[in-house]
Amino acid sequence: ETGVTQTPRHLVMGMTNKKSLKCEQHLGHNAMYWYKQSAKKPLELMFVYNFKEQTENNSVPSRFSPECPNSSHLFLHLHTLQPEDSALYLCASSQLAGVGYNEQFFGPGTRLTVL
Amino acid sequence: TQLLEQSPQFLSIQEGENLTVYCNSSSVFSSLQWYRQEPGEGPVLLVTVVTGGEVKKLKRLTFQFGDARKDSSLHITAAQPGDTGLYLCAGAPPESGYSTLTFGKGTMLLVSP
Repeated sequence: ETGVTQTPRHLVMGMTNKKSLKCEQHLGHNAMYWYKQSAKKPLELMFVYNFKEQTENNSVPSRFSPECPNSSHLFLHLHTLQPEDSALYLCASSQLAGVGYNEQFFGPGTRLTVL
Repeated sequence: TQLLEQSPQFLSIQEGENLTVYCNSSSVFSSLQWYRQEPGEGPVLLVTVVTGGEVKKLKRLTFQFGDARKDSSLHITAAQPGDTGLYLCAGAPPESGYSTLTFGKGTMLLVSP
């Protein structure tokens, strides 16, 4: 595997389900990010991890719970979501958040549909 | 009001035409990045512009950073269907301490054969 991978690519869940999104980066980076991409809105930054420590939480509802066990893996645990949470969830990585140009490398995303 | 305003929002052209898309802000950025996102995929970094007035070329794509570092443009010469996608500009605003990226809404480009 190369670059940034995300699984699953598609997910349909009910409002009472619990599911997790997984992201893995094979670039040797130290920062990882979760973004939400909805139609007609700019990418919204959700969480930032630097060296597996959370450095940014953009007022994200607690029904989204991130986990970063090491610099290569990032999870987003989902529970009791709302239909408005349906979106494309993108994971990204960079050398280090806030250093240099912060050029980011994205995974293909998970298309989430909440029924 | 978006920190980064991109225009136009949507552009549909024929193969072989030239086009320019814009990214504007009232804030000064230390650098701006351009990404292209194809349907069903994540954004892919195309270029980073750093110096005011800088021009960078990537084959048929020409990127320019405004002298005041508040705006940028992307010009595509002789567009091809493979150029179809969502073009996003992004920068780290001073309000974030330059630590995180803010994205524009993007310009959706459709190039027809």
